[in-house]
Amino acid sequence: EDKVVQSPLSLVVHEGDTVTLNCSYEVTNFRSLLWYKQEKKAPTFLFMLTSSGIEKKSGRLSSILDKKELSSILNITATQTGDSAIYLCAAHNFNKFYFGSGTKLNVKP
Amino acid sequence: DSGVTQTPKHLITATGQRVTLRCSPRSGDLSVYWYQQSLDQGLQFLIHYYNGEERAKGNILERFSAQQFPDLHSELNLSSLELGDSALYFCASSVGGASGYQETQYFGPGTRLLVL
Repeated sequence: EDKVVQSPLSLVVHEGDTVTLNCSYEVTNFRSLLWYKQEKKAPTFLFMLTSSGIEKKSGRLSSILDKKELSSILNITATQTGDSAIYLCAAHNFNKFYFGSGTKLNVKP
Repeated sequence: DSGVTQTPKHLITATGQRVTLRCSPRSGDLSVYWYQQSLDQGLQFLIHYYNGEERAKGNILERFSAQQFPDLHSELNLSSLELGDSALYFCASSVGGASGYQETQYFGPGTRLLVL
């Protein structure tokens, strides 16, 4: 059965901390791994990863894919309260996107 | 703004009724995906259409159906509604479903359905 598992399910940190969110996948015909941020509305796209070992960065966020381990991590450095959200990862194959249940991040001032 | 539009934004109806949710993909996108997100739950994939044809089905109930029209907009029909169907329904679009594409998927704002 194709599946995506995220950990931890929830995380509470203080502003300025660095966090690492994990995503593992078992998806046939895997094409890419995507990360999304969801606040109180629709998920917004963060990264798409297709090649193993190549880090993608956007400001304080970065992500990397490990195809050998079938996993990906999302790092957020110097967290801010505005980073509080649910972070979703999704694995894409030919016809479907398989989403994990998300990691709920709460950044306290 | 992702470029994906969904109507209506909110819908309140009664058990046993039927509703239609509408989605217009981003310009140039041929694939439309529908998802259901219940309270405190992850995104559940319902169905994928590519250029008018059904490509994949997920956990979609038999009471639910969808279609994609020649102008590429899509409708999700929910019938014989039950209390448990109350959820946020998202549509997302991507360029296409052809083999070899690495797809980025963009979400619409969602339709919040409340069944009373």
